[in-house]
Amino acid sequence: KAGVTQTPRYLIKTRGQQVTLSCSPISGHRSVSWYQQTPGQGLQFLFEYFSETQRNKGNFPGRFSGRQFSNSRSEMNVSTLELGDSALYLCASSLEQGSGYTFGSGTRLTVV
Amino acid sequence: LAKTTQPISMDSYEGQEVNITCSHNNIATNDYITWYQQFPSQGPRFIIQGYKTKVTNEVASLFIPADRKSSTLSLPRVSLSDTAVYYCLVGSTGTASKLTFGTGTRLQVTL
Repeated sequence: KAGVTQTPRYLIKTRGQQVTLSCSPISGHRSVSWYQQTPGQGLQFLFEYFSETQRNKGNFPGRFSGRQFSNSRSEMNVSTLELGDSALYLCASSLEQGSGYTFGSGTRLTVV
Repeated sequence: LAKTTQPISMDSYEGQEVNITCSHNNIATNDYITWYQQFPSQGPRFIIQGYKTKVTNEVASLFIPADRKSSTLSLPRVSLSDTAVYYCLVGSTGTASKLTFGTGTRLQVTL
């Protein structure tokens, strides 16, 4: 079966712009979580959605938001981009919260 | 919120057994321990998950002592392709779960 699909794969944005990243989970998976990965901070949890509801949120500013649709697809939005937002953004899906997560290949965001 | 600590890096020769330990002193009663493998420019890949004692699958074993304050991922007979970063994750299956990744251990396997 198809894995977790993240689009786009690469993205270059200018400081101050906003960006929307997309994640399509494995069919049947209802939990989707998002992570930011940078060389300095490692993997950091952003938020988790389950059945269209945000269940958990990491320690990120309000510029980072997300949502989940009825088909479990999820989007993540970052407004007023800063240079420090440059990172690999990973999405993961699972059948239930806390069970084994399957990650996508990520979206590499570069803010210039 | 369980914080995890892992060695930053480890080196091994091909064919050896590698054990990577993760400390999670504040693990909660309903937290599970999961290990992931990550190659450059790819998302982490699930390796193994456990709650207590020992879990084994086709690629690894996970040892968890009775107090659950640490866990050890064991990779038997590593090969060059096992060179990657290994993450320990502690999280609950409950609705209040917050997922904490460890710092990751960079394993370098050489001939």
